Amino acid sequence: QKEVEQNSGPLSVPEGAIASLNCTYSDRVSQSFFWYRQYSGKSPELIMSIYSNGDKEDGRFTAQLNKASQYVSLLIRDSQPSDSATYLCAVNGGLNQAGTALIFGKGTTLSVSS
Amino acid sequence: DAGVTQSPTHLIKTRGQQVTLRCSPISGHKSVSWYQQVLGQGPQFIFQYYEKEERGRGNFPDRFSARQFPNYSSELNVNALLLGDSALYLCASRSGTSNEQYFGPGTRLTVT
Repeated sequence: QKEVEQNSGPLSVPEGAIASLNCTYSDRVSQSFFWYRQYSGKSPELIMSIYSNGDKEDGRFTAQLNKASQYVSLLIRDSQPSDSATYLCAVNGGLNQAGTALIFGKGTTLSVSS
Repeated sequence: DAGVTQSPTHLIKTRGQQVTLRCSPISGHKSVSWYQQVLGQGPQFIFQYYEKEERGRGNFPDRFSARQFPNYSSELNVNALLLGDSALYLCASRSGTSNEQYFGPGTRLTVT
C-alpha cells in the first residue's frame, strides 16, 4: 500500500515567519512530487512540482526533495495570512498501471497570524 | 485560457440513485483523472483517462464508471449511491507531456 504521510497540524506561525511543511512517502520508485494548496471549500491548487533531489525555488516557496530519505518538504518564506490553508503533498510515478495517478497525504493545515 | 470546468457545482441525491458528473479539461490537455475527497482527507484516485482510453483505476467499487469523449471531456457515473459517497469529486487535467495535474472546482455531492 503506497502511502504519503503528513502531520495534520495545525501549524501556527506569525506573519513574516518561515513555515516548514513536511511529507514522507513509502514508494521508492516515485518520480514526481507536488505540493497543492487548498483553501477551505475550494479545490486543490498546484503551487510546486519537484522531480530531482535538491531544492527548487519559486518566489516565496521552496520545495526540497531527498529521495534517499523519501522526504519532501515545502518552505514558505515571509508567511502571510493569505497563506493560511491546507497544504497537500502528492506523489506519483510508481510502477503501476496508472503511473501518473497522484497519491495524496491528508494535508497539513497552516495558520498564519497577523 | 479557461481552466478545468466541472458541472454541476453541487448535487443532492438520495440513496440508491445514480449520478453523472462532467468535466472539461484545459484546452490542449488530453488526460483527465477523477478523484474523490471526503472531509479531512486528501483526494483519492478513482480513474485516469488518456486519449479516450482508461489508463488506471483506483480502489473503488464497480458502481463507479467513467468515460472520455473525442473532445477529451469526461463523465464520471456512480450507481446505487450510498451515504458514504458524499464527497467532493474532483477532475484533474494533464497535458501529455507533463505530470502536473490541474484541478477543476469540483462537484460537491451529498447523498441523503
